[in-house]
Amino acid sequence: QKEVEQNSGPLSVPEGAIASLNCTYSDQGSQSFFWYRQYSGKSPELIMFIYSNGDKEDGRFTAQLNKASQYVSLLIRDSQPSDSATYLCAVSPGGGYQKVTFGTGTKLQVIP
Amino acid sequence: ETGVTQSPTHLIKTRGQQVTLRCSSQSGHNTVSWYQQALGQGPQFIFQYYREEENGRGNFPPRFSGLQFPNYSSELNVNALELDDSALYLCASRGGSSYNSPLHFGNGTRLTVT
Repeated sequence: QKEVEQNSGPLSVPEGAIASLNCTYSDQGSQSFFWYRQYSGKSPELIMFIYSNGDKEDGRFTAQLNKASQYVSLLIRDSQPSDSATYLCAVSPGGGYQKVTFGTGTKLQVIP
Repeated sequence: ETGVTQSPTHLIKTRGQQVTLRCSSQSGHNTVSWYQQALGQGPQFIFQYYREEENGRGNFPPRFSGLQFPNYSSELNVNALELDDSALYLCASRGGSSYNSPLHFGNGTRLTVT
């Protein structure tokens, strides 16, 4: 079982729609959860992080965390063509060893 | 505030050679992590340095080694290069020792091994 799992996609949504990206993780002790956006040929860029169960909103982005189900998601409202990229889910355990583990990413395509 | 900078941006090496990649961490960040990202894959953790000491290592052979300097900049060294080492190498820094701190990435070094 992979430590962090994502559907590789591509996920295609029309412009203006809501894009829903999902991620599951295997380590029940995970404490911190991050979403990164990566454009082709570029490095990952932090979008959001979430630590507590529930929703966290930042502009058009909402991160959702359910630790009991070991599930984290990212919603993008009013999707724009510029949102087309690969979205990486990343998870970090508690404790002093703070390795951050990434999923393989979900490719999002926003169709104009 | 200066972000994470990496050099060089691109590099072409021959199998069997050695390579050194460099990273300057973001101002105020004392933890540096290195990742390898093959095409179509997520970043894979190589190792992490905190205050000049390695405090975590992923599933990479000993020919991958590193250093962190007193100014928190870092180097990644790879000996005896193999074709499969061709990838984007990412350096990321984070502030403090809290697991809550997100990683901030540099622009990466694209290594091609022929």
